[in-house]
Amino acid sequence: AAGVIQSPRHLIKEKRETATLKCYPIPRHDTVYWYQQGPGQDPQFLISFYEKMQSDKGSIPDRFSAQQFSDYHSELNMSSLELGDSALYFCASSRRVAGGSYEQYFGPGTRLTVT
Amino acid sequence: AQSVTQPDIHITVSEGASLELRCNYSYGATPYLFWYVQSPGQGLQLLLKYFSGDTLVQGIKGFEAEFKRSQSSFNLRKPSVHWSDAAEYFCAVGFYTGTASKLTFGTGTRLQVTL
Repeated sequence: AAGVIQSPRHLIKEKRETATLKCYPIPRHDTVYWYQQGPGQDPQFLISFYEKMQSDKGSIPDRFSAQQFSDYHSELNMSSLELGDSALYFCASSRRVAGGSYEQYFGPGTRLTVT
Repeated sequence: AQSVTQPDIHITVSEGASLELRCNYSYGATPYLFWYVQSPGQGLQLLLKYFSGDTLVQGIKGFEAEFKRSQSSFNLRKPSVHWSDAAEYFCAVGFYTGTASKLTFGTGTRLQVTL
């Protein structure tokens, strides 16, 4: 079965640079979520999109922005990178069903290292 | 705000022994509850979920979990652990916002399996 695709899988950037992470949801999934997992930490919700509109926002820094495109893929843009942004970034997708969307399926993650 | 507590940071069991991982949640309404498993450097795989109905849910890889409303718990169990079950296990609560449901994760329990 098709899964969530994230690219790139690994990314190394220097401080103050920008990075763009991409997420391709499972086909027919209409909702995308972004999570950040620091070393030894649990995943923290950043932001979500439903039908290309932002649906919820978590602890996402102002330096980060995201959007969902017409083909439902999503991009997380990160500017003025800091050492503390080094983490594993997960994208998850779900499909809204009657009564709400529930099950989130996670991609393999993008490991961002800021030096 | 919702929260999830996994009291055991690290658990070691022998292969073939039974397993129970504890999860307690705090949430004002009936939650959506999930267990995810993460191998080192890998993504999060959904093991099982609880939305409503039967409080004992079956998942993949022989795992099951029981929802106990009176104890605000959703403990994960497996009758006989295999060495390949060694991983990090995360309990999560889903909070439905109307268009999407973000997940709040516990801090995880690292399972080590001895042969």
